[in-house]
Amino acid sequence: EAGVVQSPRYKIIEKKQPVAFWCNPISGHNTLYWYLQNLGQGPELLIRYENEEAVDDSQLPKDRFSAERLKGVDSTLKIQPAELGDSAVYLCASSLDGNTEAFFGQGTRLTVV
Amino acid sequence: AQSVSQHNHHVILSEAASLELGCNYSYGGTVNLFWYVQYPGQHLQLLLKYFSGDPLVKGIKGFEAEFIKSKFSFNLRKPSVQWSDTAEYFCAVKRPGGSYIPTFGRGTSLIVHP
Repeated sequence: EAGVVQSPRYKIIEKKQPVAFWCNPISGHNTLYWYLQNLGQGPELLIRYENEEAVDDSQLPKDRFSAERLKGVDSTLKIQPAELGDSAVYLCASSLDGNTEAFFGQGTRLTVV
Repeated sequence: AQSVSQHNHHVILSEAASLELGCNYSYGGTVNLFWYVQYPGQHLQLLLKYFSGDPLVKGIKGFEAEFIKSKFSFNLRKPSVQWSDTAEYFCAVKRPGGSYIPTFGRGTSLIVHP
């Protein structure tokens, strides 16, 4: 069974440029999470989807970050414009529903220069 | 909101030594508890989980964890570590129910010397 797939694995951009990350969750998983992980820290939630609905986006910096999960499957996370402080690993995870454990992708390591 | 504390940020052991990583959480109600591991260059993987029942939970690769409700703790243990256990370990807590999300600790970096 395929796990959570994220792309790209690595991205280097200049500040003020836009960037997008893509996530394909495990088939049949209704819940999708985007987490941010800074160096030496644990993952911190950015947004959670139940199917196509964003049910928890209180930690998402909405002035520059946006996300979508069309058709309740794949999801994209966008930053526009990127800032130096956005350099981090962006993790996508999915779970069968909100009551079960989350399975993580390998993440996208973003470097903003 | 719940929070998770992992007090040991860096642990260095020799092979065959015993391991115990601490995890404490702040929420006083019913919780679901998890330990995840991240091997170098790999994604976060679930080691074990506690939802209910026997507070001593056994996971993969010889790991176990004990839920002690009175201490708000869920410490991870392994009697004899191997070099291949070198990784980052993350404790996470979640309130039961679909409207709650897992909250992670900052992680513990474990290095096992051969």
